[in-house]
Amino acid sequence: SAVISQKPSRDICQRGTSLTIQCQVDSQVTMMFWYRQQPGQSLTLIATANQGSEATYESGFVIDKFPISRPNLTFSTLTVSNMSPEDSSIYLCSVAGLAGGVTYEQYFGPGTRLTVT
Amino acid sequence: SQQGEEDPQALSIQEGENATMNCSYKTSINNLQWYRQNSGRGLVHLILIRSNEREKHSGRLRVTLDTSKKSSSLLITASRAADTASYFCATGTSGSRLTFGEGTQLTVNP
Repeated sequence: SAVISQKPSRDICQRGTSLTIQCQVDSQVTMMFWYRQQPGQSLTLIATANQGSEATYESGFVIDKFPISRPNLTFSTLTVSNMSPEDSSIYLCSVAGLAGGVTYEQYFGPGTRLTVT
Repeated sequence: SQQGEEDPQALSIQEGENATMNCSYKTSINNLQWYRQNSGRGLVHLILIRSNEREKHSGRLRVTLDTSKKSSSLLITASRAADTASYFCATGTSGSRLTFGEGTQLTVNP
C-alpha cells in the first residue's frame, strides 16, 4: 500500500472563507479521489481528480464549490470554497492504481477534519 | 437508490466472540471492499472480493459474496477490544469509483 498524507489534519474556519486541503502520496498512482464524511455518516464521493485535466464531479458537487487540482501523479488539492457550517466534515483523499497499475483497491489518507463556525 | 446498505447499524459483543456484519447492494458490481475506521480517522482497507469470487480470508477476517442475492458478509473471528471501530462495505463498479454503505459500529467489550 502507499503512504498518503493530508494537510492540514484539522482546521477551524469562519464561514465565507476557503480552505485548501493537500493530499500527497509517496508513489505514483493512477487514480486519486476526494470524499466527504459528514458527522456520524458514511463517505460520499465528491470527485475523481484527473491528472492534467478537470476533475470529474459526482452529482451534487460542483467545481465552483470544490475546485480540485492534480498537477502530477502524486499530489492533489481540494478547495472548499465560501464555506458554511454545513461544510463541516472530514475530507478524505484516496488513491488507487499504485505504481501506475490497474487495481481496484483504494487506500485512504488520514483525513482532514474541518469545522466551520 | 442506496448502494451498500449494512446491517446491523450497531453491534456490541464480548471479546472472543465472533462478529458478523452484512452488506446489501442494488446494482451490478465488479468488486466489493470492506474498510475499518477508528474514531473518525482514515479508513483502513481490509479486504477486496471480486464479483467472480465467493469467499476470501485474511487472518481473522472472512468475507463472502453472493452476487445472486447482491449481498456480502464480513466475519471477524475471536474478536478483540482493538477491533472496536466502524466497518464499511464499498461497492466498486466502473472506473474504480466506490459507493459506501452506511457502516456498522462494532463495539467489543473486554
